[in-house]
Amino acid sequence: GQQLNQSPQSMFIQEGEDVSMNCTSSSIFNTWLWYKQDPGEGPVLLIALYKAGELTSNGRLTAQFGITRKDSFLNISASIPSDVGIYFCAGHTGNQFYFGTGTSLTVIP
Amino acid sequence: EPEVTQTPSHQVTQMGQEVILRCVPISNHLYFYWYRQILGQKVEFLVSFYNNEISEKSEIFDDQFSVERPDGSNFTLKIRSTKLEDSAMYFCASSEPGGTFYNEQFFGPGTRLTVL
Repeated sequence: GQQLNQSPQSMFIQEGEDVSMNCTSSSIFNTWLWYKQDPGEGPVLLIALYKAGELTSNGRLTAQFGITRKDSFLNISASIPSDVGIYFCAGHTGNQFYFGTGTSLTVIP
Repeated sequence: EPEVTQTPSHQVTQMGQEVILRCVPISNHLYFYWYRQILGQKVEFLVSFYNNEISEKSEIFDDQFSVERPDGSNFTLKIRSTKLEDSAMYFCASSEPGGTFYNEQFFGPGTRLTVL
């Protein structure tokens, strides 16, 4: 299957700091999505991106669909303790959805 | 706020047994999906379902798996003869009809399947 590589694998940051994570693939995707997963729960959609170059914000979250359609990044500004969790990117192509390897975020108060 | 629900939350079964995992998607959604997540790993797509038939399936979704929408509200995943490696969290998801929004999937809380 398709491989989506996320980096970094984990992050430990101080509350108030900004966070940046990205997702890359060797394949082109038509849609990029970013999800957050809390322990024992299902992923929750944060942002969906539909066009190359698109930059979309959702509160303190900003995500961009890379021009090459092979990558996307997610930024979180002014992190707070409840931002803790695992962030997954997902790409859609060929009517299938592929999830990234995840970035584990820990926010230290 | 409408949400996807799944039952049971945890299912324990013996290897070789059949299991049925149940999901109730959001009521006006028309696209339904099953995913699995092995402990500590990424979420993996299994199958998508629309208009009472499978739209796409991954290589994981072999002949041991089947899906069904037995009535107007439930969406089920059946594993015919469970194997140890089927132990995972299984997530159901649904999305709105048509357009670009069908990519915006809402996930249920998951069913943890343990095969002994």
